[in-house]
Amino acid sequence: EGQLVQSGAEVKKAGESLKISCKGSGYSFSTYWIGWVRQMPGKGLEWMGIIFPGDSDTRYSPSFQDQVTISADKSINTAYLQWSSLKASDTAMYYCARPSSASLRDAFDVWGQGTVVTVSS
Amino acid sequence: ETVMTQSPATLSVSPGETATLSCRASQSVRSTLAWYQQKPGQAPRLLIYGASYRATGVPARFSGSGSGTEFTLTISSLQSEDFAVYYCQQYYDWPPYTFGQGTKLEIK
Repeated sequence: EGQLVQSGAEVKKAGESLKISCKGSGYSFSTYWIGWVRQMPGKGLEWMGIIFPGDSDTRYSPSFQDQVTISADKSINTAYLQWSSLKASDTAMYYCARPSSASLRDAFDVWGQGTVVTVSS
Repeated sequence: ETVMTQSPATLSVSPGETATLSCRASQSVRSTLAWYQQKPGQAPRLLIYGASYRATGVPARFSGSGSGTEFTLTISSLQSEDFAVYYCQQYYDWPPYTFGQGTKLEIK
């Protein structure tokens, strides 16, 4: 079925850069989309964007366009979420997730454990 | 962007009873609707996809229905482990895939 394992918790200061990762295993990483979801403290789930590791086709939610960069390295089965200049409002839990099929139009049945990002001002 | 609206925000139900959660889309998403369960400190878990199909390993007491703009998640014979937050999500209209704001199911 597959598994996604995310990098560990991060504590940063506003203005710093950050790149968190999501490593896939147990399936053909290059042929499934990987999405990123934000969950701010005590709040709901928000889609940030999605990438197809096979060709790095990337789609962003309008709310996150130009705020983050999503990338992938298929040679090491890893997707990334990156910030060039963090803000306190980026403090959140970030999840990566994979749909149940190779289609963009499918539910997400495999989730990473989440990465907590804390940004102090 | 398709807006997903869940109701109620909080639902109080006794164990053994049935919970009915609603989700409305601002435009038709056909049957491309999923339900997720999230417990504190855990990642979301897929329960229902295609509006009415249970994901692998999901107990039969969870059922989904609806199409177009109106959807329902029904949980019968509530167990203690079912008390959690539930999110609906459409995956028809991208970008973005939108979630509802969640319904917290709590013990009455």
